[in-house]
Amino acid sequence: RKEVEQDPGPFNVPEGATVAFNCTYSNSASQSFFWYRQDCRKEPKLLMSVYSSGNEDGRFTAQLNRASQYISLLIRDSKLSDSATYLCVLRGYQKVTFGTGTKLQVIP
Amino acid sequence: DAGVIQSPRHEVTEMGQEVTLRCKPISGHDYLFWYRQTMMRGLELLIYFNNNVPIDDSGMPEDRFSAKMPNASFSTLKIQPSEPRDSAVYFCASRFGGTGVPSATQYFGPGTRLTVL
Repeated sequence: RKEVEQDPGPFNVPEGATVAFNCTYSNSASQSFFWYRQDCRKEPKLLMSVYSSGNEDGRFTAQLNRASQYISLLIRDSKLSDSATYLCVLRGYQKVTFGTGTKLQVIP
Repeated sequence: DAGVIQSPRHEVTEMGQEVTLRCKPISGHDYLFWYRQTMMRGLELLIYFNNNVPIDDSGMPEDRFSAKMPNASFSTLKIQPSEPRDSAVYFCASRFGGTGVPSATQYFGPGTRLTVL
């Protein structure tokens, strides 16, 4: 089983829709969790950290479920500019693992 | 402040040639990472340094790959000899290991797009 698994997508959603991605992980010792965003032909950039209690940043909500070993990202009121690949990232002891990403395409 | 700087941005070379990729991390960052990204395998960590010392090179695919960090402001990733399967985007990233920011907040350079013919 891969350390980090994401549905590659693409998720094609209309503007204004709500979309959610999950990311499952296999190492229960993972300590910290993050979502990165990568635009086409660009470098990955940190979107938000994921806290156990769940956290929001504007239209974005991230949640962590340690019991089921997954993290999620919810995007409300999707904008065209949200089109990108979203990578989940886990940090363990001395190690950071990136998922292969979920591609989101927001359609006018 | 300047971000992570990588050069060249694009490299096209022929199989068997030596390729050297360069990275200048953000000033003050004590961790430096080299990644490779392909469509098939996603983002793979090749090697990372802490205070210029290689900590984990288990991701380096084979002996053809080598990385150095002679000082806190410069690192190289060398491929010798290069092969077509090395074609990928190579990212360098850096971060500060202290507290106060999410400890996995890595700042990526723009990447080097390598094509080996």
